[in-house]
Amino acid sequence: SAVISQKPSRDICQRGTSLTIQCQVDSQVTMMFWYRQQPGQSLTLIATANQGSEATYESGFVIDKFPISRPNLTFSTLTVSNMSPEDSSIYLCSAGLRPSGTEAFFGQGTRLTVV
Amino acid sequence: KQEVTQIPAALSVPEGENLVLNCSFTDSAIYNLQWFRQDPGKGLTSLLLIQSSQREQTSGRLNASLDKSSGRSTLYIAASQPGDSATYLCAAGDGGTSYGKLTFGQGTILTVHP
Repeated sequence: SAVISQKPSRDICQRGTSLTIQCQVDSQVTMMFWYRQQPGQSLTLIATANQGSEATYESGFVIDKFPISRPNLTFSTLTVSNMSPEDSSIYLCSAGLRPSGTEAFFGQGTRLTVV
Repeated sequence: KQEVTQIPAALSVPEGENLVLNCSFTDSAIYNLQWFRQDPGKGLTSLLLIQSSQREQTSGRLNASLDKSSGRSTLYIAASQPGDSATYLCAAGDGGTSYGKLTFGQGTILTVHP
């Protein structure tokens, strides 16, 4: 299994500001994923973060709003830029351990409230 | 585009009952099917992973089955306990160049009362 640590666990931010969320995995993984869970909703994939290349964004998500870094095989960051109250959600990072038969593991999430 | 549906949306049962949670997916070309548990305000805990070549997986009181041809998976919880109260999510995993990417259902909110 893998242990995924996210920081911060929660934050309250002013609209118009940005927040960077960090995700650390205790083993090397090829692909990491960032999800958003809006209040009362299920998880929606924001983007796939590959080490050494640009992140791949899902429909409805753009790099200017959610820039992602992936500097090495154990770490990634997601920035929520120019926040509005609609960005209030839980943000979760995920990683799979190996290419085949991969089981996805999740961090504990970052609960973001924008006021 | 993969779509995952879970039924029922919510379930309330007395302690000790056996129960079944249902998950259906539209694209049968999945790589795997994973069940998660989410406690309020928390992250996800992986419960069971079924590879596309498998029919079922068991862990303790939990048993998950997978029927790719019909696009269905079920999670069976035996002898439910109040501590089982949580939201249960199923997720269909992509393969190929998108391995590790999950499409989630809306979840089933389970309440087990003493």
